Amino acid sequence: AQTVTQSQPEMSVQEAETVTLSCTYDTSESDYYLFWYKQPPSRQMILVIRQEAYKQQNATENRFSVNFQKAAKSFSLKISDSQLGDAAMYFCAYRETSGSRLTFGEGTQLTVNP
Amino acid sequence: KAGVTQTPRYLIKTRGQQVTLSCSPISGHRSVSWYQQTPGQGLQFLFEYFSETQRNKGNFPGRFSGRQFSNSRSEMNVSTLELGDSALYLCASSLGSGSTTQETQYFGPGTRLLVL
Repeated sequence: AQTVTQSQPEMSVQEAETVTLSCTYDTSESDYYLFWYKQPPSRQMILVIRQEAYKQQNATENRFSVNFQKAAKSFSLKISDSQLGDAAMYFCAYRETSGSRLTFGEGTQLTVNP
Repeated sequence: KAGVTQTPRYLIKTRGQQVTLSCSPISGHRSVSWYQQTPGQGLQFLFEYFSETQRNKGNFPGRFSGRQFSNSRSEMNVSTLELGDSALYLCASSLGSGSTTQETQYFGPGTRLLVL
């Protein structure tokens, strides 16, 4: 079974600074998808960024980018120019190529200090 | 385009009762997945429905069941409620075609269930 691990229960960053959230996963599959979702206090899960395992190029979405290391099974999220609105719980998630089942990590609570 | 909607948003039940939660997916989406979120267990997959058929199932007891209607709306039912069923129940919709590499799940706001 696939597992996803987020080793940082909490992280904090100063506004306008950069922070990196870590995620590792375990799978025997060669093709799969990885996601970062954020969950603010409203509890609405919002997609931040996604990465296809077959793509070597790291995904980027505005201030959000990932460092995808397939051999190491590592998928970290970098948030640049952090904003107060980035404060949320961040979840790393894995999905196989078939079906829609997401396997989530434990989450990292990000605090942004003004 | 409207997002995923879930009703009700909040629910209080007592042990032994049953509950039905509803999820309306984004227009055009045919797959609906359900997740349970608790402080202790985190986010766990319950099941997925596609074209009115259960396509995938997580490790939950038979008290948890679901169905999907022809308009892709889905309901989740929990019978004989236990205290441990208190959780945030999230549903997510996607196109569900399976062959689309860019397919992404979009989540609803959740239903918060409290079992007393």
